[in-house]
Amino acid sequence: DTGVSQDPRHKITKRGQNVTFRCDPISEHNRLYWYRQTLGQGPEFLTYFQNEAQLEKSRLLSDRFSAERPKGSFSTLEIQRTEQGDSAMYLCASSLGPRQETQYFGPGTRLLVL
Amino acid sequence: KQEVTQIPAALSVPEGENLVLNCSFTDSAIYNLQWFRQDPGKGLTSLLLIQSSQREQTSGRLNASLDKSSGRSTLYIAASQPGDSATYLCAVRRGGNTPLVFGKGTRLSVIA
Repeated sequence: DTGVSQDPRHKITKRGQNVTFRCDPISEHNRLYWYRQTLGQGPEFLTYFQNEAQLEKSRLLSDRFSAERPKGSFSTLEIQRTEQGDSAMYLCASSLGPRQETQYFGPGTRLLVL
Repeated sequence: KQEVTQIPAALSVPEGENLVLNCSFTDSAIYNLQWFRQDPGKGLTSLLLIQSSQREQTSGRLNASLDKSSGRSTLYIAASQPGDSATYLCAVRRGGNTPLVFGKGTRLSVIA
């Protein structure tokens, strides 16, 4: 257990539905990252927060995806109008900040879109 | 665009054997490199982080080396055990604030 938690751990939804995932980072970690991992691939970067500011978004993050980190604590990732291609493991990671850059990953949320 | 390649994609070894996993990256201008372990259906566990100015890092039976100029890193596992069976991922970042770029991983099986 790295101290990063994600909820839910598994989500099955029908195409076209909206889903929301939550990530609770290690307390005092000011950086939070979202990644997506499909079977047999390494994780791919989606977006990154420093405190409450969203500093970078990948081109993978279409306009159906939105992420927030209110108050710089937990973060949510919402996918609207889900598609079968959204099926993947969604991973959250946090790090403390400058010179403490090891990223600690949560257990992930596995999404299956039917 | 940075690309990370890990060879081999899968490896099966008998218990007790020493082994080396390879990672290569196309852009040598990296800030640091991190090795992770991932068990099936689980998140990632950080094993070792090497800063660009470092040549190697060690933790227990694990030793990671970095040759930045040639764009290569190796993860050496000594005296492998069945509990080492997992997928090992290599990732690099170009700056202190930037996200990780991952390889596809090497799936390791250690046979008792």
